[in-house]
Amino acid sequence: GAGVSQTPSNKVTEKGKYVELRCDPISGHTALYWYRQSLGQGPEFLIYFQGTGAADDSGLPNDRFFAVRPEGSVSTLKIQRTERGDSAVYLCASSSWTDAGELFFGEGSRLTVL
Amino acid sequence: AQSVAQPEDQVNVAEGNPLTVKCTYSVSGNPYLFWYVQYPNRGLQFLLKYITGDNLVKGSYGFEAEFNKSQTSFHLKKPSALVSDSALYFCAVQTGANNLFFGTGTRLTVIP
Repeated sequence: GAGVSQTPSNKVTEKGKYVELRCDPISGHTALYWYRQSLGQGPEFLIYFQGTGAADDSGLPNDRFFAVRPEGSVSTLKIQRTERGDSAVYLCASSSWTDAGELFFGEGSRLTVL
Repeated sequence: AQSVAQPEDQVNVAEGNPLTVKCTYSVSGNPYLFWYVQYPNRGLQFLLKYITGDNLVKGSYGFEAEFNKSQTSFHLKKPSALVSDSALYFCAVQTGANNLFFGTGTRLTVIP
C-alpha cells in the first residue's frame, strides 16, 4: 500500500505480558517515528529513527520500552512487562528527509492492558 | 523548551460560517509550526506548515493559518466551514532535529 501500515490495529493483553507493535513505513522514507496518544491528549513523542539508527529515543518512558529498525524500513516497538498505564494508541509515522515535519501517520495500534 | 498550547478543547461553528482554531507557541529561536487533522478512525494528516516567509500559510482542504510573531500565535482558519471539517485538530511545533511536539487538540464540530 501507499501509506504507513501498522499491525495489529488492536491488541488486548494482560498486565506483565510482552507486546510487539509493527510499523511498515512509506517506501523510501528514511525517517520513522513512534508516538503514543492517550485519550484526550495529543500524540506524545517516543522515538525517532533516521535509517537504521535511533537518532532520538528521549521520549521512551522507561527501559521497558524498546524499538528497532534493523534494515532501515520496518520498525517494531517492543514493550516488556506491560502495565495498565501503557494502554494507549501507538502511532507510527514516516517522512522524507526533505520534508521535515510533514509526517505521514498510520492509523495506530490500540493497546489495552488489562 | 519548545511547546504549543491549544486553549479550546471544543469549537462549534455553523456550516458556512468562518472558523478559527487557536494555537499559541513558546519557542526559542524561529518556530517551525504545523497543523494536523485527525478524522474519526483515521490517522493524523498533515494540513499545513509555517517555516519562514509569508505569515499567511495556505494548506489542504481550504484551510489556512496565520503566523503572528508578536502574539506568538498560529491560528488555523477557514472562510466557510463544511460539516466534513468536523474532526480533531492538532497544532505542533518542531523540536530537535525532526521531532514534533503536539498540542492537546481541539475538537471542531460544524453544525449543519
